[in-house]
Amino acid sequence: QKEVEQNSGPLSVPEGAIASLNCTYSDRGSQSFFWYRQYSGKSPELIMSIYSNGDKEDGRFTAQLNKASQYVSLLIRDSQPSDSATYLCAANPGGFKTIFGAGTRLFVKA
Amino acid sequence: EAQVTQNPRYLITVTGKKLTVTCSQNMNHEYMSWYRQDPGLGLRQIYYSMNVEVTDKGDVPEGYKVSRKEKRNFPLILESPSPNQTSLYFCASTSLSGNQETQYFGPGTRLLVL
Repeated sequence: QKEVEQNSGPLSVPEGAIASLNCTYSDRGSQSFFWYRQYSGKSPELIMSIYSNGDKEDGRFTAQLNKASQYVSLLIRDSQPSDSATYLCAANPGGFKTIFGAGTRLFVKA
Repeated sequence: EAQVTQNPRYLITVTGKKLTVTCSQNMNHEYMSWYRQDPGLGLRQIYYSMNVEVTDKGDVPEGYKVSRKEKRNFPLILESPSPNQTSLYFCASTSLSGNQETQYFGPGTRLLVL
């Protein structure tokens, strides 16, 4: 069974701090990785995708991929209370399949 | 405005009564997908479609059917719903351009099967 694992949290950080969200995946053949944000009662929204080893930055968000360690992370700099949400990690093990982790709840305290 | 619509948004039904949840997108995306979301399990892919008349199973296809007769529509069919299909369902629409993926989710359909 192909799996994506995330710590369910909650992860609590003070406003202005860096929030670090982590994810591991079991299928070494996975090539594409995604981070979604889901506010309570809302639909998921895609915030980052990453395909190559290393870092990818988009505004306050940085996605990091280490295929050797089968590890994906999302850093949120200068965290804001509006960043409080559940963050879902997902991997594409091939074709158009997508495997999601159960999500990490993030709380940013003002 | 780019959007994915789902109907109905809420549905209570009984075991065995066939139902269809519609999904429509206005972005001319090739790729569409259905997910269910359950507490503690995250999102699980039910079916996906790469284009008209091209569909394939995701992780949890049992008890579901889909069709893709038009590019914009991707209905999810439950021929004989059972209580274990009580869940929150999301449709998603995706386009791939180079290495850039654009994806939109519908608002969700909350289904209760009694």
